Amino acid sequence: DAGITQSPRHKVTETGTPVTLRCHQTENHRYMYWYRQDPGHGLRLIHYSYGVKDTDKGEVSDGYSVSRSKTEDFLLTLESATSSQTSVYFCAISRDRVHEQYFGPGTRLTVT
Amino acid sequence: KNEVEQSPQNLTAQEGEFITINCSYSVGISALHWLQQHPGGGIVSLFMLSSGKKKHGRLIATINIQEKHSSLHITASHPRDSAVYICAVPKSSGDKLTFGTGTRLAVRP
Repeated sequence: DAGITQSPRHKVTETGTPVTLRCHQTENHRYMYWYRQDPGHGLRLIHYSYGVKDTDKGEVSDGYSVSRSKTEDFLLTLESATSSQTSVYFCAISRDRVHEQYFGPGTRLTVT
Repeated sequence: KNEVEQSPQNLTAQEGEFITINCSYSVGISALHWLQQHPGGGIVSLFMLSSGKKKHGRLIATINIQEKHSSLHITASHPRDSAVYICAVPKSSGDKLTFGTGTRLAVRP
């Protein structure tokens, strides 16, 4: 299994609070992705990174920001959490542009 | 935008049955991904294929690039195959994927 961890695995927070989710990899893969998964929707891309300090938006990026200061870490921040951001968040990594993606275990976030 | 359609959405089978899950997409691609999501939520990459057929154990994936269609077959199905199977194709940029909504498979003993 690819070495990907996510923290925390579960979090409950209140509307309006900031939240940061961490994705950590030990594979030295270039690409890292943040997805959210909601009932009735496929996995949807929030943001992704193609190198240290190189990031780009996905299809559902509003309300989220990311940072990648080291190859191994990719942080997802909800500046002011809303109930619509209640979801399961998955991090994924990929060696390069068109390669298999390997997924972390997911973080279940509930915004009350 | 590359649309991805999977069928069926839900599938129930008896142990031992041969299972087929289908994926169609709208725009030409370089490769297609099949993923498995376990009941506990973990997601595993099964295949990435750009032509022909790939086999791993009892799982077989085929793709027809001209028809923009892929199938995932499971031979001699087992209850442990119960999961959601997800198809994904790259967007035109190649570095992002569009995911189908998945096929939920339940294999009864």
